[in-house]
Amino acid sequence: DAGVTQSPTHLIKTRGQHVTLRCSPISGHKSVSWYQQVLGQGPQFIFQYYEKEERGRGNFPDRFSARQFPNYSSELNVNALLLGDSALYLCASSLDVGTGTYEQYFGPGTRLTVT
Amino acid sequence: DQQVKQNSPSLSVQEGRISILNCDYTNSMFDYFLWYKKYPAEGPTFLISISSIKDKNEDGRFTVFLNKSAKHLSLHIVPSQPGDSAVYFCAASAFWETSGSRLTFGEGTQLTVNP
Repeated sequence: DAGVTQSPTHLIKTRGQHVTLRCSPISGHKSVSWYQQVLGQGPQFIFQYYEKEERGRGNFPDRFSARQFPNYSSELNVNALLLGDSALYLCASSLDVGTGTYEQYFGPGTRLTVT
Repeated sequence: DQQVKQNSPSLSVQEGRISILNCDYTNSMFDYFLWYKKYPAEGPTFLISISSIKDKNEDGRFTVFLNKSAKHLSLHIVPSQPGDSAVYFCAASAFWETSGSRLTFGEGTQLTVNP
């Protein structure tokens, strides 16, 4: 079975631009979460979606938004890019959201570079 | 506020010996803990997890121990193999009605297993 897929793999953008990152979860998984990982740190939680509804949001500015589609795939959008947004963006899928379903499975990530 | 901490940025062990990676947490609401392994240019790979109602979970060469009173967990790898060389992340979770079941990660420990 296919794992979590993300596109694109790499992306270079200029400050002030907008970016859209895409994620397809493992078949049968209904929840998608997004994380940002900067060099030397652990992944930081951005959003969690379940059944197309936002279930959690991390400490990120409103420039970051996301949505989940009926097929459970998801998009992460970042507006007005800053140099500090350069990072590896990870998507993770899980069966459900709630007690007993904490395992999240990660995709390979999208490396975003803002110049 | 770093709720999950891995105080050792790096660890080096000989092939065949035991690797012990440590993790501390501060939030007593966490009730599930996970370990992930990450190779460069890849997403984190789920290794093993443990619920707060247990104090040990074993899967092949990997064993996770949880000491709730000390808010400490550790990952033991026996025997260590060169292919285990990677960054290991500790993560903690709980389910909150208003914020889903996000993972909170530590900073990671670079494990190097020498042949």
